[in-house]
Amino acid sequence: AQRVTQPEKLLSVFKGAPVELKCNYSYSGSPELFWYVQYSRQRLQLLLRHISRESIKGFTADLNKGETSFHLKKPFAQEEDSAMYYCALKSSGGYNKLIFGAGTRLAVHP
Amino acid sequence: SAVISQKPSRDICQRGTSLTIQCQVDSQVTMMFWYRQQPGQSLTLIATANQGSEATYESGFVIDKFPISRPNLTFSTLTVSNMSPEDSSIYLCSVTSGIPYNEQFFGPGTRLTVL
Repeated sequence: AQRVTQPEKLLSVFKGAPVELKCNYSYSGSPELFWYVQYSRQRLQLLLRHISRESIKGFTADLNKGETSFHLKKPFAQEEDSAMYYCALKSSGGYNKLIFGAGTRLAVHP
Repeated sequence: SAVISQKPSRDICQRGTSLTIQCQVDSQVTMMFWYRQQPGQSLTLIATANQGSEATYESGFVIDKFPISRPNLTFSTLTVSNMSPEDSSIYLCSVTSGIPYNEQFFGPGTRLTVL
């Protein structure tokens, strides 16, 4: 079964602290994974995709096939990073369908 | 990137009625999707809206309950039929667009409350 697991509903850190939002997946074959972010009162938007190996707003995520993980990391959290973060997996069913994790709310305190 | 608008942005409806949600994109796109986000939960795909043919529904969703139209490459509607309080959710339209990554863009959502 194709599945995305985000074990933490809430992650609370202080400004300047490192952040790691966990994501594990279940998928046969080569997965295509994404992180989406939803800031307060804004629409869901793509933060980064593993295939492009980019760093956006200081966030990075590395695909670890051995651990079936795609954790999102940032060395120094900022208050403006406070948002809901969703890990997503492109389904093998075609049509670019996405399977979303339950989401983790990141709260960065001053 | 694709810019997506949805109407209405929110509505409060009575049990047993139906609501049609519109999704408009500012460019022609091949794939359009409808998702549901129930309170406190993640996004669940309802169906893929196919232009010129019937929508493709995910397990647990049926056409009688969620009829979808896709008359052209920039517009789609989702109807939530015979509503019950369990249908209270945010309904999101999304599209894939862009080269080379075919990124998925989301609309602002329609917040539906069923009394």
